[in-house]
Amino acid sequence: IAGITQAPTSQILAAGRRMTLRCTQDMRHNAMYWYRQDLGLGLRLIHYSNTAGTTGKGEVPDGYSVSRANTDDFPLTLASAVPSQTSVYFCASSEGRGYTFGSGTRLTVV
Amino acid sequence: LAKTTQPISMDSYEGQEVNITCSHNNIATNDYITWYQQFPSQGPRFIIQGYKTKVTNEVASLFIPADRKSSTLSLPRVSLSDTAVYYCLVGNYNQGGKLIFGQGTELSVKP
Repeated sequence: IAGITQAPTSQILAAGRRMTLRCTQDMRHNAMYWYRQDLGLGLRLIHYSNTAGTTGKGEVPDGYSVSRANTDDFPLTLASAVPSQTSVYFCASSEGRGYTFGSGTRLTVV
Repeated sequence: LAKTTQPISMDSYEGQEVNITCSHNNIATNDYITWYQQFPSQGPRFIIQGYKTKVTNEVASLFIPADRKSSTLSLPRVSLSDTAVYYCLVGNYNQGGKLIFGQGTELSVKP
């Protein structure tokens, strides 16, 4: 089934640890995005990539980094996790008409 | 980037038609209006998109007045399974594509 695969589904992480959230799409969409969703705050854009080899900052980029080595993969890295990064993370892709979202990664930083 | 305003929550009963209105006063000429549906523990799902007048698909209708400063998502004869959060997004996915989600409207359908 075409779409976006995110891994892991959930994770409990100790503060200070490094973590990479994986996102892979099989639709050959040029644009990809990372959002975080927190209760009462809706979906907020962390980073985006309009095409392979390029990335940009969204609303809440601090503490996160991304890379886009190829069209299909868009990993999100937390270099040193903090409790405020506890959230549900969604990866999305787009080819000009709308977003396709993954099923999310629930991350708890303790 | 166009800012959107929607009601925080709405209640309805099964079988009723539900209309959710979104205000977007600073919509740009080349912006499209897109609505998404999100169930708990899932990512948002594309419902419908339009530019002007009326668009209809198998799930919903989207009404956009001539000035395009607002839009209305219409869900015909809702069922319990339509209970979800609905987001209105305004922008152009071909121009950087970084659209900002608003708070969304939490629709609760009761039996």
